[in-house]
Amino acid sequence: QQQVKQSPQSLIVQKGGISIINCAYENTAFDYFPWYQQFPGKGPALLIAIRPDVSEKKEGRFTISFNKSAKQFSLHIMDSQPGDSATYFCAASENSGYALNFGKGTSLLVTP
Amino acid sequence: DAGVIQSPRHEVTEMGQEVTLRCKPISGHDYLFWYRQTMMRGLELLIYFNNNVPIDDSGMPEDRFSAKMPNASFSTLKIQPSEPRDSAVYFCASSATTSNEQFFGPGTRLTVL
Repeated sequence: QQQVKQSPQSLIVQKGGISIINCAYENTAFDYFPWYQQFPGKGPALLIAIRPDVSEKKEGRFTISFNKSAKQFSLHIMDSQPGDSATYFCAASENSGYALNFGKGTSLLVTP
Repeated sequence: DAGVIQSPRHEVTEMGQEVTLRCKPISGHDYLFWYRQTMMRGLELLIYFNNNVPIDDSGMPEDRFSAKMPNASFSTLKIQPSEPRDSAVYFCASSATTSNEQFFGPGTRLTVL
């Protein structure tokens, strides 16, 4: 059973546009929500993460928006660049443990 | 630090053979995770260890899969006997108690013919 649901499965954005990827969860015990970025042939790498005590976190062009009441969180990539083309995974874990529950991933293509 | 090291990077084997995947976590990390990635199921957690002790192996698909961590710097994932449906990319990741961030290795692409 997928504990974190991610959409869309794939996304095509023009250079300079905004990429938005959404995730939803059910387990209210989750309190750590990271986003991982994976390039072909590589392992996933942490991009940005948020805890539920804040509603937004920004690092450069990447922003996580978090809605605790709706149990949803999203990744916004501003001014998307071709180098951002990768697969993005949202995840969630409980503070009592360290195991991450991953979404199924979104394949992002940024066209020149 | 060299990061998480996995070997081999690619493995092609025939159905019924034993396969052993190896992982060296980042020095000082006390959590080690094994994941399997497929197009159909995405990234699945198979098992994880804390201080070399298996904590949760509920993701191990069948008794054909086993994992060990004999010391803080080495872990193996073994499949015996292997089947074509085991074909996937297997990732090892490690993290420290002081941080939730997991560092992934480059993965082992397993093909079972």
